[in-house]
Amino acid sequence: GAGVSQTPSNKVTEKGKYVELRCDPISGHTALYWYRQSLGQGPEFLIYFQGTGAADDSGLPNDRFFAVRPEGSVSTLKIQRTERGDSAVYLCASSLQLGFSANVLTFGAGSRLTVL
Amino acid sequence: SQKIEQNSEALNIQEGKTATLTCNYTNYSPAYLQWYRQDPGRGPVFLLLIRENEKEKRKERLKVTFDTTLKQSLFHITASQPADSATYLCALEARPPSGGSYIPTFGRGTSLIVHP
Repeated sequence: GAGVSQTPSNKVTEKGKYVELRCDPISGHTALYWYRQSLGQGPEFLIYFQGTGAADDSGLPNDRFFAVRPEGSVSTLKIQRTERGDSAVYLCASSLQLGFSANVLTFGAGSRLTVL
Repeated sequence: SQKIEQNSEALNIQEGKTATLTCNYTNYSPAYLQWYRQDPGRGPVFLLLIRENEKEKRKERLKVTFDTTLKQSLFHITASQPADSATYLCALEARPPSGGSYIPTFGRGTSLIVHP
């Protein structure tokens, strides 16, 4: 597509529930990133994919968070047993990474998650 | 510990003036520094990138400086307009360990409000 698409745009769930957030990156972008942004803060890195594999998942806060990118395109961020502290905007970004160089990111509009 | 500092207080200026935003960092040796713009409810949008061996970069009304001795970047918008009102985020990419990847780390951003 023309841009990075994220669904749903808004998700309200109850504490303890399971949530999936989807990201459809720009076609041809091999690198995909997930960030989390709380109110008044900058985006906080969660995980980075190069192709199908998670190249760096050091930002995932705990084992309730998991992400996949099975075919090297669409990615799903999965959150188990949600907690109120998980409430934030989850941003996905993609980039055309060419070896070891600066990564200019194209972001989606984000998925706003509210855990009641 | 590593820190990226951007003024949390909003910058209010009059239309037509030059806006200057600051990004300071500690315990980083960034190879690249980027600036993004973020509007409410939207994902960040890339504006400019500057490399560690560059002092200044310009694009239309925008100018970025990068001083690796002071560990500071300044972002200038000349002839500011109300439409420039947004949050501006700086992002650093440190040179990764061997085999690693460049991953942008963001500051919290500074809100700019341009009054007509």
